[in-house]
Amino acid sequence: QFVLTQPPSVSGAPGQRVTISCTGGRSNLGSGYDVYWYQQLPGTAPKLLIYSNTDRPSGVPDRFSGSKSGTSASLAINGLQAEDEADYYCQSYDSGLTGYVFGTGTKVTVL
Amino acid sequence: EVQLVQSGAELKKPGTTVKISCKVSGYTFTDHFIHWVQQAPGRGLEWMGLVDTEDGETIYAKKFQARVIMTADTSADTVYMELSSLRYEDTAVYYCARDRRASSSWSQRWFDPWGQGTLVTVSS
Repeated sequence: QFVLTQPPSVSGAPGQRVTISCTGGRSNLGSGYDVYWYQQLPGTAPKLLIYSNTDRPSGVPDRFSGSKSGTSASLAINGLQAEDEADYYCQSYDSGLTGYVFGTGTKVTVL
Repeated sequence: EVQLVQSGAELKKPGTTVKISCKVSGYTFTDHFIHWVQQAPGRGLEWMGLVDTEDGETIYAKKFQARVIMTADTSADTVYMELSSLRYEDTAVYYCARDRRASSSWSQRWFDPWGQGTLVTVSS
């Protein structure tokens, strides 16, 4: 069940900034639960990009940043590169479903 | 290096059962839960449930709880996910992923790293 909504696609030229939104509701992001972001390159498993709303694991370039406010969260990619072309998913916890939920996913295309 | 290595692709008939394994290495097996996530073709990620590798307790998503069993074998550092009464719509890639947490709260958990995925095809 997909209770976190993301735009199906975003695109930008190399070097540009793109943002991906993740919109939830009162039982997930609106309850103050943290958001996490994953990058899924074509044909591979998802990889953690952002945890605890804003933190980057070691090895993730600092051009990736996360934010959260109320029932929404955002992932920003600054200085877009060709290797950033992938699907991106947000994730959180949902108290109504008593489990973990993912966003609908966003495909990032580098023009 | 932490690694989760899953078993190979499966071709199953409708109504049968599939059992996928996920062998971990690079850390103490019982220190982290393991989650399972389904990704149907061209679709997003859906959480199926988790297993506590220390005591075998499980929590399943409502969508799957009638048909899924997750187990942990501490002697083999391996977790298993069994899905029964397979339907065509169960055709998907199934991932295992290690649980990470910022606190003991259920709401502060994420998945890192992930296994490589196991493709299950349900076809007559």
